[in-house]
Amino acid sequence: EDQVTQSPEALRLQEGESSSLNCSYTVSGLRGLFWYRQDPGKGPEFLFTLYSAGEEKEKERLKATLTKKESFLHITAPKPEDSATYLCAVLTGGGNKLTFGTGTQLKVEL
Amino acid sequence: EPEVTQTPSHQVTQMGQEVILRCVPISNHLYFYWYRQILGQKVEFLVSFYNNEISEKSEIFDDQFSVERPDGSNFTLKIRSTKLEDSAMYFCASRETRQVSNTGELFFGEGSRLTVL
Repeated sequence: EDQVTQSPEALRLQEGESSSLNCSYTVSGLRGLFWYRQDPGKGPEFLFTLYSAGEEKEKERLKATLTKKESFLHITAPKPEDSATYLCAVLTGGGNKLTFGTGTQLKVEL
Repeated sequence: EPEVTQTPSHQVTQMGQEVILRCVPISNHLYFYWYRQILGQKVEFLVSFYNNEISEKSEIFDDQFSVERPDGSNFTLKIRSTKLEDSAMYFCASRETRQVSNTGELFFGEGSRLTVL
């Protein structure tokens, strides 16, 4: 069974304090690793897809990287508006379903 | 920007009642999905739908659940006889292509919160 584990569960940062979120996975045949942002009471908002080890993608203050066992979401100089839950998900098998982790709840304070 | 829309945003029902959740996927998308998220838990896959048939379903998606695309725009999830444990946020999602595309983007709606009393 595919497993996705995210850490930490919660993270509190000061504005401008860079950090990384971790997503480790155990799957049979990774077809893609996805990062989403979820605000309270809202649906997941797509951020990145990574397909192979060594791949990196960036968007504003966020950068996602992928190895054979884990992915990191690096946040550089975060702002309060970056506060959200960040979800990691893996696409395996026939490519029809995403298996999500439980997320990292990020709070960025002034 | 095109978006997936869901109705109702919140529904309260009595245990044993039937519920229909509605979704309007993005107009040129061909693949449709339902996911759910119980409060404080992971987002879980329920079912995928393509070409008017289910292409994959999870063990959660038992005989009490059904999906339908009654016309060219709507995609519905029906729960025949709701249970307390069906209380969750239900997300509809759509994708333009079945295989992982360059963006691999799966668009989610804002969700329908179902409360079963």
